[in-house]
Amino acid sequence: DGGITQSPKYLFRKEGQNVTLSCEQNLNHDAMYWYRQDPGQGLRLIYYSQIVNDFQKGDIAEGYSVSREKKESFPLTVTSAQKNPTAFYLCASRGLGTEAFFGQGTRLTVV
Amino acid sequence: EDKVVQSPLSLVVHEGDTVTLNCSYEVTNFRSLLWYKQEKKAPTFLFMLTSSGIEKKSGRLSSILDKKELFSILNITATQTGDSAVYLCAVVLAGGTSYGKLTFGQGTILTVHP
Repeated sequence: DGGITQSPKYLFRKEGQNVTLSCEQNLNHDAMYWYRQDPGQGLRLIYYSQIVNDFQKGDIAEGYSVSREKKESFPLTVTSAQKNPTAFYLCASRGLGTEAFFGQGTRLTVV
Repeated sequence: EDKVVQSPLSLVVHEGDTVTLNCSYEVTNFRSLLWYKQEKKAPTFLFMLTSSGIEKKSGRLSSILDKKELFSILNITATQTGDSAVYLCAVVLAGGTSYGKLTFGQGTILTVHP
């Protein structure tokens, strides 16, 4: 059945390492989004993509990178330049005129 | 800069109470407003509002949008402990294509005691 899948659910990273979070959807949605959520806070937009091979920076893009080579996939790389990467990361997709559908999230911890 | 502001940030009530959550926005190129409920991980969709003054209802929940005053409210009547969650408001901004940016507020943490 259709949905949006994030992996892994939990991820541990050593300081100075890059890590990539996976987001895959089979809803045939053009738009995809990455958000960061810190404890007790709302969602802050990192990057979003409205079409394959195109993406825009959100409000907190520094230290992150993305790619959109396929419609179904929108991976997020957390680079070593991100000074405080420990957070809960949510991926979402949206069709034309519809609400956004979310994955179950990835909890990233720097150790 | 586009802003979405929710109030209150947290709210504690007892079962049976009625609550009103607020979402105000200052954005360019407004398209629509969305409400979500987040209990554990993935937010679940509640309402999408695009037109002023038209109330949307689902059971004990209802929501309305005022595009002149730039805000929306989410009402929950006869609250239950299962309503305890973070309630998120998001605004869809018209972009260069049909989709646009999706910006969230800080969320309201609702706690319902038995």
